[in-house]
Amino acid sequence: QSALTQPASVSGSPGQSITISCTGTSSDIGSYNYVSWYQQHPGKAPKLMIYDVSNRPSGVSNHFSGSKSGNTASLTISGLQAEDEADYYCSSYTTISTWVFGGGTKLTVL
Amino acid sequence: QVQLQESGPGLVKPSETLSLTCTVSGGSISTYFWSWIRQPPGKGLEWIGYVHYSGSTSYNPSLKSRVSISVDTSKNQFSLKLSSVTAADTAVYYCARIGYDSSGSYPNAFDYWGQGTLVTV
Repeated sequence: QSALTQPASVSGSPGQSITISCTGTSSDIGSYNYVSWYQQHPGKAPKLMIYDVSNRPSGVSNHFSGSKSGNTASLTISGLQAEDEADYYCSSYTTISTWVFGGGTKLTVL
Repeated sequence: QVQLQESGPGLVKPSETLSLTCTVSGGSISTYFWSWIRQPPGKGLEWIGYVHYSGSTSYNPSLKSRVSISVDTSKNQFSLKLSSVTAADTAVYYCARIGYDSSGSYPNAFDYWGQGTLVTV
C-alpha cells in the first residue's frame, strides 16, 4: 500500500486560514469516511485532531475542520495561532483492512 | 483517562528480533483494537499493524513477513515482535488505541497514544 500524499510544507500568518490536502485512492479515502488527522509537535506523540472526516474530539478547538471529496481529504485551520505550528498527518482505513498514513505536512506560522 | 506506555530494549542488534510491550491503564484492553505505529528519525508515521482483544490481527503488507502482534488481556498488555531487524527499523515506536465510530461498530481513528520509545538497531 502506498502512503497518502500530502504537501511537504504549508505556511500562513497569524489569523489567516490554511488548508492541507491529503490525496489517496479508491482503496482508502475514496471508500471510507474513516479519515483522521493528527497534530504532532516536536518530540511529542501525535494527537488526534479530526476523525471520521470532519468530527472533532472533545477539547479540540473549533478552528480545526475537515472535509472530503472523492479520493482527497482536507484539513483547514482557520485563525492561525502560533501554537498551531506543528507537523500534521492524515490517515485512512483501507479496503484490505489496514491503515495508511500520509507523509506529513510541516505547518509554519509566519 | 486511558494511558498507554511502551516498554522494551532501546538497542537491538541487526538480524535480531525487536520486542516491545504496551501496557494499558485507566481502561480495559477488551473491546478495542490496539495498534503499533513507528516513526524513523526525521520522517513520517508508518502503520505497523493492529490486534483486536480477541486476538485477530492485521499487518502492513510491507512488514507482514517480519511482524507479529499479540494481546494479553489478563495483563492489559499487547506486544510487538519484529524479526530480522536492520538499521532501517530504527525509529520511535508508538502504541495506540483505535477508537470506534458513532455506531460503535467500526474502528475509525487512533484516539489514544503512548509517549513513544526510541529503538535503535
